[in-house]
Amino acid sequence: NAGVTQTPKFRILKIGQSMTLQCTQDMNHNYMYWYRQDPGMGLKLIYYSVGAGITDKGEVPNGYNVSRSTTEDFPLRLELAAPSQTSVYFCASSPSGQGAYEQYFGPGTRLTVT
Amino acid sequence: QQQVKQSPQSLIVQKGGISIINCAYENTAFDYFPWYQQFPGKGPALLIAIRPDVSEKKEGRFTISFNKSAKQFSLHIMDSQPGDSATYFCAASMMGGTSYDKVIFGPGTSLSVIP
Repeated sequence: NAGVTQTPKFRILKIGQSMTLQCTQDMNHNYMYWYRQDPGMGLKLIYYSVGAGITDKGEVPNGYNVSRSTTEDFPLRLELAAPSQTSVYFCASSPSGQGAYEQYFGPGTRLTVT
Repeated sequence: QQQVKQSPQSLIVQKGGISIINCAYENTAFDYFPWYQQFPGKGPALLIAIRPDVSEKKEGRFTISFNKSAKQFSLHIMDSQPGDSATYFCAASMMGGTSYDKVIFGPGTSLSVIP
Protein backbone atom coordinates (compact mmCIF):
# COMPACT_ATOMS: atom_id res chain seq x y z
CA ASN A 1 0.00 0.00 0.00
CA ALA A 2 1.78 3.15 -1.23
CA GLY A 3 -0.93 5.49 0.15
CA VAL A 4 -0.92 8.89 -1.57
CA THR A 5 1.89 9.54 -4.02
CA GLN A 6 2.76 12.86 -5.63
CA THR A 7 5.07 13.79 -8.47
CA PRO A 8 7.26 15.69 -8.93
CA LYS A 9 8.86 16.36 -5.52
CA PHE A 10 10.38 19.65 -6.64
CA ARG A 11 9.86 21.93 -9.61
CA ILE A 12 11.02 25.35 -10.72
CA LEU A 13 8.79 27.14 -13.22
CA LYS A 14 9.23 30.37 -15.08
CA ILE A 15 6.43 32.94 -14.95
CA GLY A 16 3.78 32.08 -17.53
CA GLN A 17 4.67 28.40 -17.83
CA SER A 18 2.15 25.66 -17.11
CA MET A 19 2.48 22.31 -15.40
CA THR A 20 0.49 19.44 -13.92
CA LEU A 21 1.05 18.10 -10.42
CA GLN A 22 0.21 14.42 -10.28
CA CYS A 23 -1.55 12.70 -7.37
CA THR A 24 -2.49 9.04 -7.03
CA GLN A 25 -3.97 7.11 -4.12
CA ASP A 26 -4.38 3.34 -3.78
CA MET A 27 -6.75 3.24 -0.80
CA ASN A 28 -9.95 3.40 -2.87
CA HIS A 29 -10.93 6.67 -1.15
CA ASN A 30 -13.78 8.63 -2.65
CA TYR A 31 -12.62 12.03 -1.41
CA MET A 32 -9.49 13.75 -2.65
CA TYR A 33 -8.10 17.21 -1.97
CA TRP A 34 -5.44 19.64 -3.06
CA TYR A 35 -3.94 22.03 -0.51
CA ARG A 36 -1.22 24.60 -0.64
CA GLN A 37 0.92 25.36 2.38
CA ASP A 38 2.66 28.68 2.82
CA PRO A 39 4.86 29.46 5.86
CA GLY A 40 2.78 30.34 8.92
CA MET A 41 -0.46 30.12 6.93
CA GLY A 42 -1.53 26.56 7.51
CA LEU A 43 -3.21 24.54 4.79
CA LYS A 44 -5.45 26.23 2.26
CA LEU A 45 -7.84 24.09 0.23
CA ILE A 46 -7.53 24.65 -3.53
CA TYR A 47 -9.92 22.05 -4.98
CA TYR A 48 -11.58 18.89 -3.81
CA SER A 49 -13.41 15.93 -5.30
CA VAL A 50 -16.02 13.65 -3.76
CA GLY A 51 -15.75 11.04 -6.50
CA ALA A 52 -14.77 10.39 -10.10
CA GLY A 53 -16.20 13.07 -12.35
CA ILE A 54 -17.08 15.42 -9.47
CA THR A 55 -14.89 18.34 -8.47
CA ASP A 56 -15.46 21.66 -6.75
CA LYS A 57 -13.58 24.77 -5.69
CA GLY A 58 -12.06 25.23 -2.29
CA GLU A 59 -10.85 28.39 -0.62
CA VAL A 60 -8.13 29.44 -3.10
CA PRO A 61 -8.93 28.01 -6.58
CA ASN A 62 -7.82 30.91 -8.80
CA GLY A 63 -5.03 29.95 -11.21
CA TYR A 64 -5.63 26.21 -10.85
CA ASN A 65 -7.72 23.51 -12.47
CA VAL A 66 -8.42 19.89 -11.63
CA SER A 67 -9.99 16.81 -13.14
CA ARG A 68 -10.97 13.45 -11.68
CA SER A 69 -11.48 10.79 -14.30
CA THR A 70 -10.72 7.85 -11.99
CA THR A 71 -11.01 7.14 -8.28
CA GLU A 72 -7.23 6.89 -7.99
CA ASP A 73 -5.99 10.02 -9.77
CA PHE A 74 -6.52 13.71 -9.06
CA PRO A 75 -4.11 15.92 -11.05
CA LEU A 76 -3.77 19.65 -10.39
CA ARG A 77 -3.09 21.92 -13.36
CA LEU A 78 -1.36 25.27 -13.03
CA GLU A 79 -1.92 27.56 -15.99
CA LEU A 80 0.21 30.66 -16.54
CA ALA A 81 2.31 30.25 -13.39
CA ALA A 82 2.78 33.34 -11.20
CA PRO A 83 5.22 34.00 -8.31
CA SER A 84 2.23 33.93 -5.93
CA GLN A 85 1.90 30.22 -6.70
CA THR A 86 5.27 29.48 -5.12
CA SER A 87 4.29 27.09 -2.36
CA VAL A 88 4.28 23.51 -1.17
CA TYR A 89 1.37 21.55 -2.59
CA PHE A 90 -0.16 18.59 -0.82
CA CYS A 91 -2.63 16.11 -2.17
CA ALA A 92 -4.76 14.18 0.31
CA SER A 93 -7.48 11.58 0.28
CA SER A 94 -10.04 10.37 2.78
CA PRO A 95 -12.87 7.90 3.02
CA SER A 96 -16.35 9.36 2.74
CA GLY A 97 -18.85 9.49 5.58
CA GLN A 98 -17.78 9.48 9.22
CA GLY A 99 -14.16 8.82 8.36
CA ALA A 100 -13.76 11.88 6.17
CA TYR A 101 -11.96 13.84 8.91
CA GLU A 102 -9.06 11.40 8.61
CA GLN A 103 -7.15 12.68 5.65
CA TYR A 104 -4.10 10.90 4.29
CA PHE A 105 -1.53 13.26 2.82
CA GLY A 106 1.08 12.76 0.16
CA PRO A 107 4.71 13.90 0.64
CA GLY A 108 4.15 17.20 -1.16
CA THR A 109 5.50 19.04 -4.19
CA ARG A 110 7.68 22.10 -3.60
CA LEU A 111 7.06 24.55 -6.43
CA THR A 112 9.02 27.73 -7.10
CA VAL A 113 7.89 30.21 -9.74
CA THR A 114 10.53 32.74 -10.80
CA GLN B 1 -17.27 31.43 11.08
CA GLN B 2 -15.32 28.71 9.30
CA GLN B 3 -12.02 29.76 10.86
CA VAL B 4 -10.07 27.77 13.41
CA LYS B 5 -7.71 29.85 15.56
CA GLN B 6 -4.56 28.32 17.01
CA SER B 7 -1.92 29.50 19.47
CA PRO B 8 0.94 29.82 20.05
CA GLN B 9 2.53 30.11 16.61
CA SER B 10 5.71 28.56 17.97
CA LEU B 11 6.65 26.80 21.18
CA ILE B 12 9.92 25.74 22.76
CA VAL B 13 9.75 23.15 25.53
CA GLN B 14 12.44 21.36 27.49
CA LYS B 15 12.66 17.60 27.23
CA GLY B 16 10.32 16.04 29.77
CA GLY B 17 8.09 19.10 29.95
CA ILE B 18 4.46 19.55 28.93
CA SER B 19 3.64 21.11 25.55
CA ILE B 20 0.25 22.81 25.32
CA ILE B 21 -1.36 24.06 22.11
CA ASN B 22 -4.71 25.82 22.14
CA CYS B 23 -7.39 26.15 19.48
CA ALA B 24 -10.75 27.89 19.20
CA TYR B 25 -13.61 27.77 16.73
CA GLU B 26 -16.86 29.63 16.11
CA ASN B 27 -19.08 27.35 14.04
CA THR B 28 -21.03 25.00 16.31
CA ALA B 29 -21.78 22.78 13.30
CA PHE B 30 -18.27 21.34 13.51
CA ASP B 31 -18.59 17.80 14.80
CA TYR B 32 -15.10 16.33 14.83
CA PHE B 33 -11.82 17.86 15.96
CA PRO B 34 -8.67 16.16 14.69
CA TRP B 35 -5.05 17.07 15.32
CA TYR B 36 -2.41 16.56 12.67
CA GLN B 37 1.36 16.30 13.11
CA GLN B 38 3.78 17.32 10.38
CA PHE B 39 7.51 16.61 10.37
CA PRO B 40 9.80 18.73 8.15
CA GLY B 41 9.62 17.70 4.52
CA LYS B 42 6.62 15.42 5.08
CA GLY B 43 2.88 15.68 4.69
CA PRO B 44 0.66 16.07 7.77
CA ALA B 45 -0.54 12.88 9.45
CA LEU B 46 -3.51 12.37 11.76
CA LEU B 47 -2.38 12.23 15.40
CA ILE B 48 -5.56 12.10 17.48
CA ALA B 49 -9.18 13.23 17.15
CA ILE B 50 -12.10 13.97 19.46
CA ARG B 51 -15.86 14.35 19.14
CA PRO B 52 -17.57 17.30 20.91
CA ASP B 53 -19.54 15.02 23.25
CA VAL B 54 -16.29 13.93 24.91
CA SER B 55 -14.35 16.26 27.24
CA GLU B 56 -11.00 14.47 27.07
CA LYS B 57 -9.27 11.84 25.00
CA LYS B 58 -5.87 10.37 25.75
CA GLU B 59 -3.58 8.34 23.52
CA GLY B 60 -0.22 7.63 25.08
CA ARG B 61 1.47 10.94 25.89
CA PHE B 62 -1.03 12.94 23.80
CA THR B 63 -4.25 14.27 25.33
CA ILE B 64 -6.99 16.40 23.79
CA SER B 65 -9.09 18.48 26.17
CA PHE B 66 -12.38 19.81 24.80
CA ASN B 67 -14.54 22.62 26.21
CA LYS B 68 -17.75 22.70 24.19
CA SER B 69 -19.28 25.72 25.93
CA ALA B 70 -16.16 27.82 25.36
CA LYS B 71 -15.67 26.41 21.85
CA GLN B 72 -12.06 25.66 22.66
CA PHE B 73 -9.89 22.59 22.57
CA SER B 74 -6.26 21.92 23.32
CA LEU B 75 -3.51 19.38 22.79
CA HIS B 76 -1.27 18.42 25.70
CA ILE B 77 1.93 16.49 25.07
CA MET B 78 3.20 15.02 28.31
CA ASP B 79 6.88 14.18 28.86
CA SER B 80 7.77 15.96 25.60
CA GLN B 81 10.63 14.40 23.64
CA PRO B 82 12.92 15.80 20.93
CA GLY B 83 11.19 13.40 18.51
CA ASP B 84 7.95 15.34 19.10
CA SER B 85 9.49 18.40 17.41
CA ALA B 86 7.13 19.06 14.52
CA THR B 87 4.36 21.37 13.37
CA TYR B 88 0.97 20.63 14.89
CA PHE B 89 -2.30 21.58 13.25
CA CYS B 90 -5.62 21.56 14.98
CA ALA B 91 -8.63 21.18 12.74
CA ALA B 92 -12.39 21.08 12.76
CA SER B 93 -14.53 19.01 10.47
CA MET B 94 -18.14 18.90 9.47
CA MET B 95 -19.58 15.61 8.36
CA GLY B 96 -22.53 15.52 6.00
CA GLY B 97 -25.08 18.31 5.84
CA THR B 98 -25.50 20.43 2.77
CA SER B 99 -21.79 20.89 2.11
CA TYR B 100 -19.16 18.27 1.56
CA ASP B 101 -17.31 16.71 4.43
CA LYS B 102 -14.72 19.38 4.95
CA VAL B 103 -11.81 19.84 7.31
CA ILE B 104 -10.73 23.36 8.31
CA PHE B 105 -7.16 23.60 9.53
CA GLY B 106 -5.69 26.02 12.02
CA PRO B 107 -2.50 27.91 11.04
CA GLY B 108 -0.20 25.49 12.88
CA THR B 109 2.19 25.54 15.85
CA SER B 110 5.86 24.82 15.41
CA LEU B 111 7.05 22.83 18.44
CA SER B 112 10.70 22.45 19.32
CA VAL B 113 11.65 20.17 22.20
CA ILE B 114 15.18 20.87 23.38
CA PRO B 115 17.31 18.38 25.34
